[in-house]
Amino acid sequence: DVKVTQSSRYLVKRTGEKVFLECVQDMDHENMFWYRQDPGLGLRLIYFSYDVKMKEKGDIPEGYSVSREKKERFSLILESASTNQTSMYLCASSFVYRDSLGYTFGSGTRLTVV
Amino acid sequence: AQSVTQLDSQVPVFEEAPVELRCNYSSSVSVYLFWYVQYPNQGLQLLLKYLSGSTLVKGINGFEAEFNKSQTSFHLRKPSVHISDTAEYFCAVKEGGSEKLVFGKGTKLTVNP
Repeated sequence: DVKVTQSSRYLVKRTGEKVFLECVQDMDHENMFWYRQDPGLGLRLIYFSYDVKMKEKGDIPEGYSVSREKKERFSLILESASTNQTSMYLCASSFVYRDSLGYTFGSGTRLTVV
Repeated sequence: AQSVTQLDSQVPVFEEAPVELRCNYSSSVSVYLFWYVQYPNQGLQLLLKYLSGSTLVKGINGFEAEFNKSQTSFHLRKPSVHISDTAEYFCAVKEGGSEKLVFGKGTKLTVNP
């Protein structure tokens, strides 16, 4: 099975800190994604990457940046954390193979900014 | 741009009753459709997906969904629910030509004894 591993399950950071959320996938998938999940809002796409060093903004990129230096690793960066970035962050990767398509999600990182 | 509407934010049902969770999408191109389930304090698990072919899709745990192109819907159904089906359910859509998977806001299903 494909594994998408998020380095931390819980994080507590202070306002103004620079925060790195790390995600690693082990199946050579081209595409990787960062979502945030908030009650009543579902999952909203922050950024995605379709290749090394390539990225595209999602629906809510403000206050975030990303880095993809290696195919298996996709990092989400909060340049200056704020309390409104307290949320559950989910990483995903996707594949397309012949007529099959799938997305695999990590277990999530619950970030609290105090 | 694609969007997904889950018409009910909460659905309470009694055990062994049938349930339908509704999902509508907007898109002008071909779509691929997904239903995910999230149990309390757990990650997302794929229930089923529609990529092509038969419009009736069967998934895990006795769930099924039907793709209706004319009504742009992909409703999830189960003929008889269990307490263990209590969870949040998310509908998601990917447009052909885009890599983005867009989610609805979720439906919380509560199964009562």
